Amino acid sequence: EVQLLESGGGLVQPGGSLRLSCAASGFTFSSYAMSWVRQAPGKGLEWVSVISGSGGSTYYADSVKGRFTISRDNSMNTLFLQMNSLRAEDTAVYYCAKSYSGTSRAPFDSWGQGTLVTVSS
Amino acid sequence: DIQMTQSPSSLSATIGDRVTITCRASQGMSNYLAWYQQKPGKVPKLLIYAASTLQSGVPSRFSGSGSGTDFTLTISSLQPEDVATYYCQKYNSAPLTFGGGTKVEIK
Repeated sequence: EVQLLESGGGLVQPGGSLRLSCAASGFTFSSYAMSWVRQAPGKGLEWVSVISGSGGSTYYADSVKGRFTISRDNSMNTLFLQMNSLRAEDTAVYYCAKSYSGTSRAPFDSWGQGTLVTVSS
Repeated sequence: DIQMTQSPSSLSATIGDRVTITCRASQGMSNYLAWYQQKPGKVPKLLIYAASTLQSGVPSRFSGSGSGTDFTLTISSLQPEDVATYYCQKYNSAPLTFGGGTKVEIK
């Protein structure tokens, strides 16, 4: 059974940093692309970033480009999201999501339970 | 970048009704289109991918169609457990944009 467990969320001041982690199990982690998707309170889904199975390709939403960095450790079956220069509008539940294949051109067939990031002074 | 526009943003229907949700892309994208269901307080769930392929375990009352710029999610006979917000998503290339969502309620 696929399991995705996010951690690292919390309260941070504007301009601060936070690093999210997503521990994966139940599948061959390195064979699948992984994404971060966020959902602001009461709002819709917003794709944030994707990384290929090998880690060689990464893509970002314009809203986070230059501030967020996605990475993965295939030896530890863990996905990361380093978030810098955080803004109030980054407040959201952050989900990690497993892609259907190793490339970014695939839908998300498994989702974690999410971790809440609150950016506020 | 391709924009994804869903309509309607919300709808209210009776049990047993046929419900149709549309998703329009600002540019053609073949059939790289997925539909997700998010029930209140729950995590999104993949329903359909490649515009019309039903994900394993999804009830057959759900179906998808379309290609290019216009896509449709249909619930053939609305059930109480279908109360949720439905999202389309493009995945032909990054950004992997979601539509704004359609909230489905029971009348």
